[in-house]
Amino acid sequence: DAGVIQSPRHEVTEMGQEVTLRCKPISGHNSLFWYRQTMMRGLELLIYFNNNVPIDDSGMPEDRFSAKMPNASFSTLKIQPSEPRDSAVYFCASRSQGEQYFGPGTRLTVT
Amino acid sequence: SQKIEQNSEALNIQEGKTATLTCNYTNYSPAYLQWYRQDPGRGPVFLLLIRENEKEKRKERLKVTFDTTLKQSLFHITASQPADSATYLCALVRGVVGGSQGNLIFGKGTKLSVKP
Repeated sequence: DAGVIQSPRHEVTEMGQEVTLRCKPISGHNSLFWYRQTMMRGLELLIYFNNNVPIDDSGMPEDRFSAKMPNASFSTLKIQPSEPRDSAVYFCASRSQGEQYFGPGTRLTVT
Repeated sequence: SQKIEQNSEALNIQEGKTATLTCNYTNYSPAYLQWYRQDPGRGPVFLLLIRENEKEKRKERLKVTFDTTLKQSLFHITASQPADSATYLCALVRGVVGGSQGNLIFGKGTKLSVKP
């Protein structure tokens, strides 16, 4: 298996633009997680899905953030409009049992 | 709300020594606790899981302990090597939702540097 796949790996955009991050979980994993990592706040959970259904989105910072999981093999995290304070590394992870498997992350820079 | 503290932001040790990292939590005892390794520019990688009814778990040079009375987990790397240099994160499961395991809460991590 190729592991969790994220795209793009790097994204540089201007404030106010829409950003879409993509994730393909490991086949057969029924839970998917979106995290944001910064030096100040560490690794923060934004939202997680179980069997494609959002279970906990309490970590989504604002209405500017939205996430979807239309099927078991694909998820998106969208930021609209983006702001400089959204600059961070965004990780997607999937899980079947206890441990989570993380993707390589998307480094987002909003100028 | 549940909080996790990893006592040291950074830990520097000499090659061959045992590295000991600490993870403390508040409030309820989690069902289980996990440790991850993160290298620069990469996502965290799972290392070990220990359940609340287990006192100790080992994997090669790694050892994890879980003390629910102290609300603490210790992570040990014996005979440390420069290749062990990385950031180590502890994580607690938040709970069970709808019959399935809940999400993890991560500590901020301890950056370990092993000098040759």
